[in-house]
Amino acid sequence: AQTVTQSQPEMSVQEAETVTLSCTYDTSENNYYLFWYKQPPSRQMILVIRQEAYKQQNATENRFSVNFQKAAKSFSLKISDSQLGDTAMYFCAFCYPGGGADGLTFGKGTHLIIQP
Amino acid sequence: ETGVTQTPRHLVMGMTNKKSLKCEQHLGHNAMYWYKQSAKKPLELMFVYSLEERVENNSVPSRFSPECPNSSHLFLHLHTLQPEDSALYLCASSQDSGGYGYTFGSGTRLTVV
Repeated sequence: AQTVTQSQPEMSVQEAETVTLSCTYDTSENNYYLFWYKQPPSRQMILVIRQEAYKQQNATENRFSVNFQKAAKSFSLKISDSQLGDTAMYFCAFCYPGGGADGLTFGKGTHLIIQP
Repeated sequence: ETGVTQTPRHLVMGMTNKKSLKCEQHLGHNAMYWYKQSAKKPLELMFVYSLEERVENNSVPSRFSPECPNSSHLFLHLHTLQPEDSALYLCASSQDSGGYGYTFGSGTRLTVV
């Protein structure tokens, strides 16, 4: 079974700074999907960005980008020009094509605090 | 509104009670999921329904009983729960394999007393 590891339980940065959240995963398969989700105090999990493992190009969504290193099984999230509204729990997640019984596997999360 | 609605938002129940959590999605997705979120632990997948058929239950205790009457609705029936079952229960839906990600509801905060 796949595992997802987030080694930073909590991070704190000043508003407008750039912050990088780390994520590593373990799988023996070659084709899969990776995601970053944000969970603010409202509790709803919001999809931030997704990456297809067979694509070498790193995904980008506005201020959010990833550094996908397939050989190293690393998938970090970079948030540029951080804003107060970025304060939330961030979860790295993984699934195989076909999903099915395995569903999405999540890491334990990183609590990101943006200071004014 | 996200397209996945969960009710109730909060629930307090005694260990001998029977209650149900409800999830409804308006996205036309064909798969639905129940996750348990406890403090300091990764989200735990409890149940998967694909095309209204249960795919996996991940060895969840029988005091949790899912029901998926159609592709838009998912229930989690609860009975004789334990205090350690207190958690946030999240419902999600996806299209096909979920390669485009899941859409989550806002969850039900369950407290067992």
